[in-house]
Amino acid sequence: AQSVTQLDSQVPVFEEAPVELRCNYSSSVSVYLFWYVQYPNQGLQLLLKYLSGSTLVKGINGFEAEFNKSQTSFHLRKPSVHISDTAEYFCAVSDRPGYSTLTFGKGTMLLVSP
Amino acid sequence: NAGVTQTPKFRILKIGQSMTLQCTQDMNHNYMYWYRQDPGMGLKLIYYSVGAGITDKGEVPNGYNVSRSTTEDFPLRLELAAPSQTSVYFCASSGTSGGTSYNEQFFGPGTRLTVL
Repeated sequence: AQSVTQLDSQVPVFEEAPVELRCNYSSSVSVYLFWYVQYPNQGLQLLLKYLSGSTLVKGINGFEAEFNKSQTSFHLRKPSVHISDTAEYFCAVSDRPGYSTLTFGKGTMLLVSP
Repeated sequence: NAGVTQTPKFRILKIGQSMTLQCTQDMNHNYMYWYRQDPGMGLKLIYYSVGAGITDKGEVPNGYNVSRSTTEDFPLRLELAAPSQTSVYFCASSGTSGGTSYNEQFFGPGTRLTVL
């Protein structure tokens, strides 16, 4: 079974600073990776996904993530955060590119302060 | 398109009561999912469906039932509510065709359920 570990439950950062949210997954022959964001009292929204191809994936709102197969990681980064980026971020994995269930990590709360 | 809609937004149940959480999607997606979200635990899959008439258990199905009579609707039934079912419930759907939405799950706004 797939598993996902998000190493930080909470990441405080000042506005305009860079941020990295860490995600590690259990190894599999094939793996497809996702980052979702959840703003307060809302559902989840897809930030970006890695299915194949370039290991650097760009998403919405200036976020990007890098797939590192040797380290089984898919860390999320943003060079300069805004107050509006305050939200919970979930890393998820599936073992098939088509229909599949997702296994989610426990989430990382990003807290951006002025 | 409204996307994925869920009703109700909030509900308080007494122990032993039953209720149905409604979920509807208007994107003609084959696949639909029910998750529960507990603080610090991420999302756990309860049930999923790959099409009308086909459902299967996820990671935490005990105490829940589902049905899928149409492509659009995927209700979740709690028969005998217990305090352990206090949670936020999310419905999601995904399509099978190619394009930018391939493999992306679209989520509803959630139902916050409290069992007392």
